Amino acid sequence: DVKVTQSSRYLVKRTGEKVFLECVQDMDHENMFWYRQDPGLGLRLIYFSYDVKMKEKGDIPEGYSVSREKKERFSLILESASTNQTSMYLCASKWQGMNTEAFFGQGTRLTVV
Amino acid sequence: AQKITQTQPGMFVQEKEAVTLDCTYDTSDPSYGLFWYKQPSSGEMIFLIYQGSYDQQNATEGRYSLNFQKARKSANLVISASQLGDSAMYFCAMREGGDNKLIFGAGTRLAVHP
Repeated sequence: DVKVTQSSRYLVKRTGEKVFLECVQDMDHENMFWYRQDPGLGLRLIYFSYDVKMKEKGDIPEGYSVSREKKERFSLILESASTNQTSMYLCASKWQGMNTEAFFGQGTRLTVV
Repeated sequence: AQKITQTQPGMFVQEKEAVTLDCTYDTSDPSYGLFWYKQPSSGEMIFLIYQGSYDQQNATEGRYSLNFQKARKSANLVISASQLGDSAMYFCAMREGGDNKLIFGAGTRLAVHP
């Protein structure tokens, strides 16, 4: 069975902390994505990676960075967490094919206090 | 400009009736793909159906079908014979050209009433 696993379901962090969100997929997918989901705004792409050590900015990369040292793992880093980064974060992965769907993790609800 | 527009923040439908969820898109690339996802209250994202820009026929998958009108740049999801379990958020998404990233709309919350 296809699986994308995010390391935490819920996280509470303090303003200014460095935060790591981890995502692992077991499908040998080339592409991995980080989205944030906010009510009324849908899913917005933060960063994506199309290969190991390769990354591209999405629509809202400010305040975030990513790391992909191994094919199966894609990490989202909040260098200095702020309250406006309180959100649901969704990781996804996808094969290279044009008509293939993305598979999502269960999401991490991050609260920055 | 918005790439994907879902104009209905919320929709209601009676059980066993059909419902159409709207999605319009904006792209100048002749090659693109459109996806619909369902997100129940539990939070997982469930892939429903895919339509490619060069597909000759509208996509269908069980009770889900796509009303794909290329000239109007719309890809509306039709759910037939609604069930209580269809109550969820529904997202339309697009990928363009050779790009693998998916751009999502704001979503529509569907409530199915008994």
